[in-house]
Amino acid sequence: KQEVTQIPAALSVPEGENLVLNCSFTDSAIYNLQWFRQDPGKGLTSLLLIQSSQREQTSGRLNASLDKSSGRSTLYIAASQPGDSATYLCAVESDYGQNFVFGPGTRLSVLP
Amino acid sequence: NAGVTQTPKFRVLKTGQSMTLLCAQDMNHEYMYWYRQDPGMGLRLIHYSVGEGTTAKGEVPDGYNVSRLKKQNFLLGLESAAPSQTSVYFCASSSPTRSTEAFFGQGTRLTVV
Repeated sequence: KQEVTQIPAALSVPEGENLVLNCSFTDSAIYNLQWFRQDPGKGLTSLLLIQSSQREQTSGRLNASLDKSSGRSTLYIAASQPGDSATYLCAVESDYGQNFVFGPGTRLSVLP
Repeated sequence: NAGVTQTPKFRVLKTGQSMTLLCAQDMNHEYMYWYRQDPGMGLRLIHYSVGEGTTAKGEVPDGYNVSRLKKQNFLLGLESAAPSQTSVYFCASSSPTRSTEAFFGQGTRLTVV
């Protein structure tokens, strides 16, 4: 059974810092990995999708990497802003299943 | 540009009552999902569908039923609500090619008293 963990559970940083969020998964037979953002009381917004054959994806100040063999992904946020404050979730889609397994999330607070 | 729309957004039920949550997507996606999100438990899959007329059980299916009569709609039913079903419910859809991201609705906050 696929299990996804995220470290840290919560993070508080001053504005302008670069930061890294970590995601680990137990079964490397994945088709893709997605990073989502969730604002309080809201739905999930997809940030980046990495296919299993890819090593990284970039969108603006966000960069996500994937090391499938070691079961790890990182989300790098450059020059953090208060508007980046949210919960960040990673989810993996397995080769053999038709669903996403989510990590518990990292709650990020960027202080002005 | 609606994406995934969930109805209703909020609901309070009494124990034993029934209700149906509606999810509608306008992206012609084959796959649709229902998740519940609970504090400390993350998102857990309830049921999913890989196409019109098909449904399958996820991780936590007990107490729920689903139907996919039309490709764009995925209904989640609670026949006899229990306090343990108090949660936030999210619907999602995705393409079977798996090359594009999944899209989520805004959620339904359900309280069973």
